[in-house]
Amino acid sequence: DQQVKQNSPSLSVQEGRISILNCDYTNSMFDYFLWYKKYPAEGPTFLISISSIKDKNEDGRFTVFLNKSAKHLSLHIVPSQPGDSAVYFCAADSTASKLTFGTGTRLQVTL
Amino acid sequence: DVKVTQSSRYLVKRTGEKVFLECVQDMDHENMFWYRQDPGLGLRLIYFSYDVKMKEKGDIPEGYSVSREKKERFSLILESASTNQTSMYLCASRGGGTTPGYTFGSGTRLTVV
Repeated sequence: DQQVKQNSPSLSVQEGRISILNCDYTNSMFDYFLWYKKYPAEGPTFLISISSIKDKNEDGRFTVFLNKSAKHLSLHIVPSQPGDSAVYFCAADSTASKLTFGTGTRLQVTL
Repeated sequence: DVKVTQSSRYLVKRTGEKVFLECVQDMDHENMFWYRQDPGLGLRLIYFSYDVKMKEKGDIPEGYSVSREKKERFSLILESASTNQTSMYLCASRGGGTTPGYTFGSGTRLTVV
């Protein structure tokens, strides 16, 4: 039972354009959401997060949007840069204190 | 910055061997986790620990065990390695209270032949 889903395994975007990565969840107990970025042969690194009491959080080129009624969140990267090419995982947290991760989306930013 | 160190970046082991993957964190975090990453399956939780000598099964504990004798160290043990345990293994730690998110180690790419 996949509680956190990333339905797009891959995404290709031109440099300078917007990248939109999507994530859906099923468990209404999740109250905190995070995005991680992972390069090959490295561990994931924290990118941005959002609490369920908010619907938007922004950090530089990265913005996360949360739609609780739809159980959907998205990560926007504007403008996309070649160094953004990586696998992005969304993750969800509840009081159980362990994260549940999605399956990941591989983003490729082309020149 | 919190550092999570995994002892090996790459390992090649034979089927049936007992394999130890070591993880050490330097920020006195209570919570530690072992995940494996496989293409199309994302990060799946194997085991986690809330404190010394405490352990909890994750989503895919079969074929694995763990040890946490000291707060800073969390070991993953493959009792008898099999080829389907070839994977990227990721250790993470997390502080207590309301600290969000994990800090991950660099990962160990294990190949079982």
